[in-house]
Amino acid sequence: SQQGEEDPQALSIQEGENATMNCSYKTSINNLQWYRQNSGRGLVHLILIRSNEREKHSGRLRVTLDTSKKSSSLLITASRAADTASYFCATDLLTGRRALTFGSGTRLQVQP
Amino acid sequence: DTEVTQTPKHLVMGMTNKKSLKCEQHMGHRAMYWYKQKAKKPPELMFVYSYEKLSINESVPSRFSPECPNSSLLNLHLHALQPEDSALYLCASSQDGGGPDTQYFGPGTRLTVL
Repeated sequence: SQQGEEDPQALSIQEGENATMNCSYKTSINNLQWYRQNSGRGLVHLILIRSNEREKHSGRLRVTLDTSKKSSSLLITASRAADTASYFCATDLLTGRRALTFGSGTRLQVQP
Repeated sequence: DTEVTQTPKHLVMGMTNKKSLKCEQHMGHRAMYWYKQKAKKPPELMFVYSYEKLSINESVPSRFSPECPNSSLLNLHLHALQPEDSALYLCASSQDGGGPDTQYFGPGTRLTVL
């Protein structure tokens, strides 16, 4: 079953603008991860944030986590056409199940 | 080598055929996964193998049969599939070392069932 809902479902911006995607989840987590998927391809891991962390940066990516609100956001700064892809949050639940549950995804289109 | 490979890239099969999907990784990972993904949807977990033992089966129909011959290989045997089984099948692997697990995905097999 789907653990996370992402918002917005689709986002279209111009190159150079920032893109923000939000993820909400329902149950307690060990960590939350963000993945990118180019059309019809495999997923690529972007960043992992642990439940005791509030913010993490990696290059042009900034992820925040608010466990009290059960939500996370992914910010991509200075977007490029190559950032066009679907972005999924994935939660590692506090159940010891060793499996990720993916959110519904945000389709990002960056116009050159 | 941080690559997960999957073969074939595309597969078209009839409902009476038997086929297999293959996945391979050489990162020393001890957990391997099969996901099914329909268009514009997130990946849905099917099976998890941990240390070559099936640890999770997400109530997948028996027409899908996973196999883990060794720690580097993962197969998905297909038999008597339905057209609604057409999807992108993704394989992934992770360390399964007890800490947070990043998963590495293969490019997927695009399956069409006629």
